[in-house]
Amino acid sequence: DGGITQSPKYLFRKEGQNVTLSCEQNLNHDAMYWYRQDPGQGLRLIYYSQIVNDFQKGDIAEGYSVSREKKESFPLTVTSAQKNPTAFYLCASRMGSETQYFGPGTRLLVL
Amino acid sequence: GNSVTQMEGPVTLSEEAFLTINCTYTATGYPSLFWYVQYPGEGLQLLLKATKADDKGSNKGFEATYRKETTSFHLEKGSVQVSDSAVYFCALRNTGNQFYFGTGTSLTVIP
Repeated sequence: DGGITQSPKYLFRKEGQNVTLSCEQNLNHDAMYWYRQDPGQGLRLIYYSQIVNDFQKGDIAEGYSVSREKKESFPLTVTSAQKNPTAFYLCASRMGSETQYFGPGTRLLVL
Repeated sequence: GNSVTQMEGPVTLSEEAFLTINCTYTATGYPSLFWYVQYPGEGLQLLLKATKADDKGSNKGFEATYRKETTSFHLEKGSVQVSDSAVYFCALRNTGNQFYFGTGTSLTVIP
């Protein structure tokens, strides 16, 4: 089946630790996105990538980093500089002028 | 600039009631408009879309019409079901393929 997978479903971070959220798509989409969703709020864009080896900061990039070494993969690292990382993280992808398709999300919790 | 404003929730309706969730937008150029639905603990799923003025998007009994004169894209359903309980997001895509999301409206349908 074609789609977007995110892992893990739940992730726990200790203070001062970096953690990486996985996002993989087999839709052959060029563009990929990371959003953060907080309770009762909309989606806020963290980073996006239009093509391999290129990515741009979104509205709330501080404390996060990404890489795009392969078309199908766009991992997000939540660094220790992100002081309030508890949230639901959504990955999405898009081809051309089509809409975005979303993965199932990863919930990050701080221990 | 670009932005999406949707009605505050939560919305609680009885089964078979009529649903309207208001959405208005601000955009430069001619955006495409979308409604997404998010079930608890999951990612967003595309519900319907409209790409130009006066287009009507429809899916699963939901409808929304792209009204350029009122910059609106209100979501409607004639008879809601318990299974429609979810959070609904209005979104736009501008001519630069950037997406902007509303804050979401939570709908609860009671039997």
